[in-house]
Amino acid sequence: DAGITQSPRHKVTETGTPVTLRCHQTENHRYMYWYRQDPGHGLRLIHYSYGVKDTDKGEVSDGYSVSRSKTEDFLLTLESATSSQTSVYFCAISESGILGTQYFGPGTRLLVL
Amino acid sequence: GQQVMQIPQYQHVQEGEDFTTYCNSSTTLSNIQWYKQRPGGHPVFLIQLVKSGEVKKQKRLTFQFGEAKKNSSLHITATQTTDVGTYFCAGNTGTASKLTFGTGTRLQVTL
Repeated sequence: DAGITQSPRHKVTETGTPVTLRCHQTENHRYMYWYRQDPGHGLRLIHYSYGVKDTDKGEVSDGYSVSRSKTEDFLLTLESATSSQTSVYFCAISESGILGTQYFGPGTRLLVL
Repeated sequence: GQQVMQIPQYQHVQEGEDFTTYCNSSTTLSNIQWYKQRPGGHPVFLIQLVKSGEVKKQKRLTFQFGEAKKNSSLHITATQTTDVGTYFCAGNTGTASKLTFGTGTRLQVTL
């Protein structure tokens, strides 16, 4: 498996609290992605990054922000968590963007009460 | 926006039977990728198809990309219990640096 870790792996939080999820890679890949996975929806892209400090929105970006200050770290922040953001969050990395393999991290299970 | 649909959503087969999942896009794709996710796990890359009409094989798995590059299929011959999982296709229209994933097909295989 590619060197990707996500932290925390599990989190329970309350509505209205801020939450930050971290994705860390040791592969020096340029592209990093955050997806959420919900039953019946497959994987939906939240935000992605194509370089340090270069990010763009995905299809479900409302309520989420990201930052990438170093090649190896990509942070996803829920500014004020809502129950609709209960989901499994996956980080992925790719060396060559959409024409390359995406390697996924182990995922973070987030429950917003 | 681009939509990628997969059918069926779920299929239950007996070990040894064949299985096929279909992926359909509302727009022409520049490439399509297939991923497998075991229960409780993360998606793992299987293959990428780029050319119109392309067919690729991996042991018992056969992948096809349609002539119009708007659909794809994954066929598993003689399923085994190790094939259990959810299979996702993911495509790109070539206009953005992101893939759109299909809704997935969950395969259950019993003895």
